[in-house]
Amino acid sequence: DVKVTQSSRYLVKRTGEKVFLECVQDMDHENMFWYRQDPGLGLRLIYFSYDVKMKEKGDIPEGYSVSREKKERFSLILESASTNQTSMYLCASSSSTLKSWWETQYFGPGTRLLVL
Amino acid sequence: AQSVTQLGSHVSVSEGALVLLRCNYSSSVPPYLFWYVQYPNQGLQLLLKYTSAATLVKGINGFEAEFKKSETSFHLTKPSAHMSDAAEYFCAVSESAPLVFGKGTRLSVIA
Repeated sequence: DVKVTQSSRYLVKRTGEKVFLECVQDMDHENMFWYRQDPGLGLRLIYFSYDVKMKEKGDIPEGYSVSREKKERFSLILESASTNQTSMYLCASSSSTLKSWWETQYFGPGTRLLVL
Repeated sequence: AQSVTQLGSHVSVSEGALVLLRCNYSSSVPPYLFWYVQYPNQGLQLLLKYTSAATLVKGINGFEAEFKKSETSFHLTKPSAHMSDAAEYFCAVSESAPLVFGKGTRLSVIA
């Protein structure tokens, strides 16, 4: 079974802190994604990566950056956390190359981040 | 631009009743369509997907969905609801870009 793990289930941070959310997948997937999930808004794509060191902006990249130094790991960075970044963050991965969007995405359990 | 609209943010059905969750999409080319489910305190998992093969797609846990191009719809159905089906359901679309998700429909099942 594909496994996608996220470093924390719950996280509490203060405004202005730098926050790192880590995601690891164990199936050698090329594509990895970061979403945020908010009630009534569904999932919105922050960033995605289709290869090591490659990244592309999603729909809401402002205030976030990402890092993918190894194939299995994709990190989301909040450079200076703000209260409007309080949300559930979901990581996902999918197989195949060249941005094959029909492939199933496998999700981690999510990190619920509270910024005070 | 691709988009999906899920009609009804909350649907409530009795145990044993038909489940119908509605999804309409907007896409300029034949799309890939997905239904994902999220159980409480978990990530999303794939229920089923349409990738231009058969228009009636069967998924896990007795769910199925029918792609209707003329109606731009991809509604999710299950003949008989179980208590374990209570969850949030997301429709998603992709044409030549990453998935775009709908806002979700929360399904409640009443005993």
